[in-house]
Amino acid sequence: NAGVTQTPKFRVLKTGQSMTLLCAQDMNHEYMYWYRQDPGMGLRLIHYSVGEGTTAKGEVPDGYNVSRLKKQNFLLGLESAAPSQTSVYFCASSGPPGSSTDTQYFGPGTRLTVL
Amino acid sequence: LAKTTQPISMDSYEGQEVNITCSHNNIATNDYITWYQQFPSQGPRFIIQGYKTKVTNEVASLFIPADRKSSTLSLPRVSLSDTAVYYCLVGPIYNQGGKLIFGQGTELSVKP
Repeated sequence: NAGVTQTPKFRVLKTGQSMTLLCAQDMNHEYMYWYRQDPGMGLRLIHYSVGEGTTAKGEVPDGYNVSRLKKQNFLLGLESAAPSQTSVYFCASSGPPGSSTDTQYFGPGTRLTVL
Repeated sequence: LAKTTQPISMDSYEGQEVNITCSHNNIATNDYITWYQQFPSQGPRFIIQGYKTKVTNEVASLFIPADRKSSTLSLPRVSLSDTAVYYCLVGPIYNQGGKLIFGQGTELSVKP
């Protein structure tokens, strides 16, 4: 039982390049989330999903797209990377509200640098 | 979502009890209080959650007064490995769409 895994762990991009971050969970959770964390700040929600095939915007969605084609996977895409997107990205998953698994479990993070 | 206020940092020594207080003056009736712990280069980890009075688990205790406008995370007999950032979050389970708001958190430093 790996929990929440993220791929890759590190990445360096040039401005304008695109990439996709992959999040996978093996806990059969309905809800999945993408956050970013910048130095000295808490986590900010980018996008989230409440089930397979659904996505919604969080606090800071601009410049990112997501897809949830399979229940266990949640992809975060950057179509044209900018230096302001240099950050550590965390994925999380949880069960439905009010369930016994409704706390969020986080992955180890992806450190992205955009030059 | 209710805004939370916590101290930016705290220092302690090994073996001491540490209490971190979080203020949430405009907490709503259906809001719960949740605390997460984050070590450097790792994702946050759930510690404890409560609605009122006192909750205790193997890691910590959470004290919530009757007016619920604040809460205190209590870590008994801390060790060096408890050095981390602690986040207090307030919101309904689970937020009509997962919009958890993480503040700056409290950076706890435990010294030998």
